[in-house]
Amino acid sequence: ETAVFQTPNYHVTQVGNEVSFNCKQTLGHDTMYWYKQDSKKLLKIMFSYNNKQLIVNETVPRRFSPQSSDKAHLNLRIKSVEPEDSAVYLCASSAGQGRVYAEQFFGPGTRLTVL
Amino acid sequence: GDKVKQSPSALSLQEGTNSALRCNFSIAATTVQWFLQNPRGSLMNLFYLVPGTKENGRLKSAFDSKESYSTLHIRDAQLEDSGTYFCAAEASYAQGLTFGLGTRVSVFP
Repeated sequence: ETAVFQTPNYHVTQVGNEVSFNCKQTLGHDTMYWYKQDSKKLLKIMFSYNNKQLIVNETVPRRFSPQSSDKAHLNLRIKSVEPEDSAVYLCASSAGQGRVYAEQFFGPGTRLTVL
Repeated sequence: GDKVKQSPSALSLQEGTNSALRCNFSIAATTVQWFLQNPRGSLMNLFYLVPGTKENGRLKSAFDSKESYSTLHIRDAQLEDSGTYFCAAEASYAQGLTFGLGTRVSVFP
């Protein structure tokens, strides 16, 4: 049963455009994440948010920015897309209250193609 | 892929046979997760492990934090077991998972 929702499923755009991807979780979790899966299928963490605070901001280009309105939502904005941004973007969440490690659950992903 | 090394990279199994996948960690993994990614790209949770062993149906997984590895055993492989299996480790709280490059499993009749 899906509990981490992502929209859109696919997005095709041109270099220089701005895009925004949405993620919502209905699990009541406190921590949300964005990962990027490249063409070689490698998954890498981009951002981690705990209770609306940014915890991790891996070395991603500054054109990427996470946006959180509440702990159930974590959107991803790309200000001016580049060809190398073509990938699948996966959102995840985990319970992790305090400093407790917790299982992560993933959404179905958004596939971005930059022409 | 450097911090979490998965082996083999690909595996072809006949239905009904058994096999094992392995992950070696060069980070201080605290927890490990195993996923199966289907052709549509969805990641299905298989196991969440602190050091120890878990079993679910035909799948069994173990995580040894001292020796820095984890294994996933598939017993009596079925066609629906085909897909890419990923292991991932978390070393620090809320720092995200570090993934291996995956093992592509193909089960044939």
